[in-house]
Parts: sequence; C-alpha cells; structure tokens
Amino acid sequence: QSALTQPRSVSGSPGQSVTISCTGTYTDVGRYNFVSWYQQYAGKPPKLIISDVSNRPSGVPERFSGSKSGNTASLTISGLQPDDEAEYYCCAYAGTWYPYVFGTGTQVIVL
Amino acid sequence: VQLVQSGAELKKPGESLKISCKGSQYTFSTYWIGWVRQTPGSGLEWVAIMRPADFSTRYNPSFEGQVTISADSSIGTAYLQWNTLQASDTGVYYCAGRRAVDGSPFDSWGLGTLVTVSS
Repeated sequence: QSALTQPRSVSGSPGQSVTISCTGTYTDVGRYNFVSWYQQYAGKPPKLIISDVSNRPSGVPERFSGSKSGNTASLTISGLQPDDEAEYYCCAYAGTWYPYVFGTGTQVIVL
Repeated sequence: VQLVQSGAELKKPGESLKISCKGSQYTFSTYWIGWVRQTPGSGLEWVAIMRPADFSTRYNPSFEGQVTISADSSIGTAYLQWNTLQASDTGVYYCAGRRAVDGSPFDSWGLGTLVTVSS
C-alpha cells in the first residue's frame, strides 16, 4: 500500500473556506467508507476530527466537514480561523490486514 | 481513553529497546491498541496493531520482522519492541486506541515516545 496523496499546503484568509484532497486507489479510499481525518499541531499527537468519511466526533466544530467521490476524499474547513493552522492527515482503511493507510499530510496556513 | 507512554530513548545501532503504553484494564479488554510512527520525511505510518483480549495482531508489511507488538492486559499495558535497532528506526512512536469494529479510526492517542538511534 502506498501513502495517500495530499497537497503539501493550502492557505486561506480568516473566514474563507479551504478544501484538502486525499487521493488513494480503488483498494482503499475507493473501496470502503472508512476515511478519517486528523488534525495535528507541532509537537502534539494527532486528533481525530472526521471518521467514516463525514462523521464528526463530539466536540469537533461543524466548520469541519468531509466527503468522498471515487478514489478521492476531501476535508473542507469553512469559516477558517487562526487556530485551524495545523497539519492535517487523511487515513483510509484497506482491509483487515492493512487497516491504516495515512496520507502525506497537508499544512493549512491561515494568512 | 487515556494512554500514557514511556519516556524518550537514545540508543545505539544494534541495541534492543522496548517502549510501553499504559491504559486501563477496561480499555485493553475492549479496544485494539496500535503503534504509529512519525518521521519528518515520511509523515505518519501505521506500524502494528493488537487486540489485547485475544492477542490478534496485524503488522504493516514494511515493519513486519523488524518490531514486535505485545500486551499485558492484567496491567493494561502494550509494548513495541526492537531486538536490533537501526538508525532508520528513529522517530516519534505514538500508541493509539481504536474500537473493536473493523474500519474504526484511532480515536485516542498517547503523547508519543521519541526514539533516537544514533552512534
């Protein structure tokens, strides 16, 4: 399994929306609705913000939303805030013997 | 679910190492516990995962044979072990927990253990 492909960085001004893509294959993103997204600040562990393509765990703001089309999943951050500046990783399930394929990571920059 | 990891390690190539991740007995009876490595060049990589209740394990083929995952449910602790460290094993290792259902994401994370392998 190869890492899922994400853009290295995306940027936006406060209040704007940004979308991060996560491209896999028909064996992972395309096959299962088990795509998750993690937010990570420098020196901290990742935090789950989206599970099962589009579900937000309790406490995650509605500004974060997820979707999927074919082999590509997406994370959209609406109403960008300075606190959203962090690294974001997607992760897909590729079967019981390879349950986690992570993306390459995307740095979100708030201008 | 709270996961408490052991402290940073500085080792030489060829040495052995065992790092730990402590949760609760309840966590270990219901969750799968995994290890994820983070390096500056490779981002996040899943290493291995185990269900402590019955010792079912899964290894990332890239790490299989290089590391061993284990657990002691009686004390709610999981381990990741190396018999022969290499410089390429350097990184931050996170333990993480997920629910029993296949396809579940890691929803609990430890703070990470920095492993540095250098001569």
